[in-house]
Amino acid sequence: DTAVSQTPKYLVTQMGNDKSIKCEQNLGHDTMYWYKQDSKKFLKIMFSYNNKELIINETVPNRFSPKSPDKAHLNLHINSLELGDSAVYFCASSHRSGTSNEKLFFGSGTQLSVL
Amino acid sequence: DQQVKQNSPSLSVQEGRISILNCDYTNSMFDYFLWYKKYPAEGPTFLISISSIKDKNEDGRFTVFLNKSAKHLSLHIVPSQPGDSAVYFCAASDYGGSQGNLIFGKGTKLSVKP
Repeated sequence: DTAVSQTPKYLVTQMGNDKSIKCEQNLGHDTMYWYKQDSKKFLKIMFSYNNKELIINETVPNRFSPKSPDKAHLNLHINSLELGDSAVYFCASSHRSGTSNEKLFFGSGTQLSVL
Repeated sequence: DQQVKQNSPSLSVQEGRISILNCDYTNSMFDYFLWYKKYPAEGPTFLISISSIKDKNEDGRFTVFLNKSAKHLSLHIVPSQPGDSAVYFCAASDYGGSQGNLIFGKGTKLSVKP
């Protein structure tokens, strides 16, 4: 049973399209994240959600919008896709107690290619 | 501006020998450091961590050393095994231990040869 699962694994689409990536975790964690690994291999945080509230939003274009229907899901919607959005997107989750150092659990990634 | 730097993109070692992966950081506010391991087509998995109040943390074959004055940490794997072949990411946080805003390095690809 995969702890953090994201779909699809690969996504190839045309510029200007709108697409979504889904993420689900069955670990009972209260915080979920989206990370982007760009062509330079840097892993950068995009969003995190804690109890349905957005708590981090690094300088991400508003074409990207996270949607969390419940604590176990955090989907990523991308509007008007651009070439520069091509990257690997990782979903992650953790239990954020605020005092302990809880580790992140990552999904296997979604390779997005914008043509 | 890279706050976490892994200057060696790759490292090759012989099975049974020691692997040493290095990481430098620039932000003196970082107080918690982690190493993640990533196999191809998989997400990163947590390996080991260290708080800035310590200078060493050991877990089996893996030991992380922290030199705060030099803003440097290293991961030692001893003995190295072929299954350790993966990309290793160094990450740092300034949230007092919370992992909400990890800053990652670019990773070092370790190859352990039988």
